[in-house]
Amino acid sequence: QVQLQESGPGLVKPSGTLSLTCAVSGGSISSSNWWSWVRQPPGKGLEWIGEIYHSGSTNYNPSLKSRVTISVDKSKNQFSLKLSSVTAADTAVYYCARTQLVLGYYYYMDVWGKGTTVTVSS
Amino acid sequence: EIVLTQSPGTLSLSPGERATLSCRASQSVSSSYLAWYQQKPGQAPRLLIYGASSRATGIPDRFSGSGSGTDFTLTISRLEPEDFAVYYCQQYGSSPPALTFGGGTKVEIK
Repeated sequence: QVQLQESGPGLVKPSGTLSLTCAVSGGSISSSNWWSWVRQPPGKGLEWIGEIYHSGSTNYNPSLKSRVTISVDKSKNQFSLKLSSVTAADTAVYYCARTQLVLGYYYYMDVWGKGTTVTVSS
Repeated sequence: EIVLTQSPGTLSLSPGERATLSCRASQSVSSSYLAWYQQKPGQAPRLLIYGASSRATGIPDRFSGSGSGTDFTLTISRLEPEDFAVYYCQQYGSSPPALTFGGGTKVEIK
C-alpha cells in the first residue's frame, strides 16, 4: 500500500526558507491523486497548506500563497514544499498526505505521512 | 472563506456512551466534500468519514456521519477506549479550490 515519508531540516532560521520533501512508496505519484501538505502548530489544529497534481497544477491556502511553492518530481516519485520568509509562527508538525478528489463526488486525505517537526528559531 | 466551527470543544464521556460531535459551516457546503478525521497524540490524522456519511476503509460501523448544508454530525455509537482522541471535520471548496479544517473536538475519558 502507499506510504508517505516526510524529510527535511528540523530547524530553520527566521526569515529563511523551509524545505521539505515527501517520498511516495508503494505507488506512483503519477496516479490520479492530488498530493497535499498540512501543518499543525504545537497544541493547535490542522491547517491546509496546499496541494499538487502530477501535472504540476497546484492550489494553495490563500493565507500562505505568497510564501508557498509546492513542486513534484516524478522521476523520484516525490513532491516538495518550500515556505519562504518563515517566522516562529511557522513552527509546526508538517504532514504530507495523499488526496482523493473527484469533483462533484468527494475530497478526502486517505494516506498520511507520520509528520516531521520543524522549528523556526535562531 | 468558509469557516467550520466544531462543538463542543471537549466532550467528557465514559466508555460505552454515545458521542455526538457537531461541525457547523459558516455557509452551505457540499456534503460531497465533507470529511472527518481522528487524531491521537503524536500521530497523524486518520480518515474516518468522507462524503459526509461514507465510512473509510477499515473504520468500524460504530462511527457514522450525517448532515447537509451547514450542519454535520459525527456520531460514535458506543465509545471504545481507543476512540478517545481529537476529531476534525474538513470541507473542500472548489471555486476557488481551498480546504478548511474545523478547530477540533477532543473526546476525553470522564
